[in-house]
Amino acid sequence: DAKTTQPTSMDCAEGRAANLPCNHSTISGNEYVYWYRQIHSQGPQYIIHGLKNNETNEMASLIITEDRKSSTLILPHATLRDTAVYYCIAASNFGNEKLTFGTGTRLTIIP
Amino acid sequence: EPEVTQTPSHQVTQMGQEVILRCVPISNHLYFYWYRQILGQKVEFLVSFYNNEISEKSEIFDDQFSVERPDGSNFTLKIRSTKLEDSAMYFCASTFMTGGQPQHFGDGTRLSIL
Repeated sequence: DAKTTQPTSMDCAEGRAANLPCNHSTISGNEYVYWYRQIHSQGPQYIIHGLKNNETNEMASLIITEDRKSSTLILPHATLRDTAVYYCIAASNFGNEKLTFGTGTRLTIIP
Repeated sequence: EPEVTQTPSHQVTQMGQEVILRCVPISNHLYFYWYRQILGQKVEFLVSFYNNEISEKSEIFDDQFSVERPDGSNFTLKIRSTKLEDSAMYFCASTFMTGGQPQHFGDGTRLSIL
């Protein structure tokens, strides 16, 4: 699986858009980009994923660059409940792809 | 929305004892996983399971660990003789199919070995 690189921490004002970057320069053509978050020690919560097209769901938007070497998760109107550790993971779409978690980005939403 | 449920939420066990952690995956899911997270560390893959057999396991998943799907709904992780270093959060996950379908996680069992 491709390694991903994320900033260690970020702050965002409540009500503003939170933009979380992720570099995955060694991603291969059969690897999806998944985003999860973890609030305290709860189980990782799935947010969104994509292969090459931009994606949007009720939680967030995912923007993937054309060369697929990086992506940005966008939380459009951050709330205090969005304070969490956010993980960007590249995982193959073949076989029982395991998820390899890094240290993620600790996002703090500031009132 | 369907959820992965795990029981118990907290398990305290004496070192050397056997422990079984239980998971009920989402009902139509076919692929099952266990991960663990030692306090303050990363979430680590332990094992994946499909069609009643292990698909892949990590170095952590040694002979002391086993998994089973004893019936159509439960998925269990057994640790035969627990060690202090087994203390961690254990997360179960499931997905309907691989190839672009996300894994959904339970809220975990906190295992404390005394």
